Amino acid sequence: AQTVTQSQPEMSVQEAETVTLSCTYDTSESNYYLFWYKQPPSRQMILVIRQEAYKQQNATENRFSVNFQKAAKSFSLKISDSQLGDTAMYFCACRTGANSKLTFGKGITLSVRP
Amino acid sequence: DAGVIQSPRHEVTEMGQEVTLRCKPISGHNSLFWYRQTMMRGLELLIYFNNNVPIDDSGMPEDRFSAKMPNASFSTLKIQPSEPRDSAVYFCASTRGPRNYNSPLHFGNGTRLTVT
Repeated sequence: AQTVTQSQPEMSVQEAETVTLSCTYDTSESNYYLFWYKQPPSRQMILVIRQEAYKQQNATENRFSVNFQKAAKSFSLKISDSQLGDTAMYFCACRTGANSKLTFGKGITLSVRP
Repeated sequence: DAGVIQSPRHEVTEMGQEVTLRCKPISGHNSLFWYRQTMMRGLELLIYFNNNVPIDDSGMPEDRFSAKMPNASFSTLKIQPSEPRDSAVYFCASTRGPRNYNSPLHFGNGTRLTVT
């Protein structure tokens, strides 16, 4: 079974600045995918970005990018040019090929200050 | 693509009553998941189905909870009898699977359940 840990309960960033959200995971599987989901106050779960474990290149999606350190089992999310609409809870998640479950971390609340 | 559809969006009921939550997955998705979200425990996987068959229900908290998927386009999560500690947001999600583990889960908007 996989585990996902997000140790920071909340963070705050000034609008237009850059912020990094931390995540570590643990799995014995060699094939897995990592995801970041965003949950705004509307409570909708929105996929932000995903990373394939066998790819060394870090995934990017516009202002969002990841720093994937496979050996350290670390998967952090960097948000550049933060916008007020980025205010939300962010969840890190891991899905393996063995059981196909998507396991979530506890989440981090990000507040973007104007 | 209509997305994952959950109903009702809100449910308020009294302790001891039966509650049924409903989910319609995205057409063509053959894996379906039920999650529960609370402040204390975060997002917990309750049960998931592949091709309408329950694969892992180890997250179902107790016998008061049951889930069914009678066909590829419909699933229910039932709580009977309900208790105040069942108050939470319940999410349904679907994805292509089970071998397509690179596919992200698509979530419904959730059902906020309040048991008084």
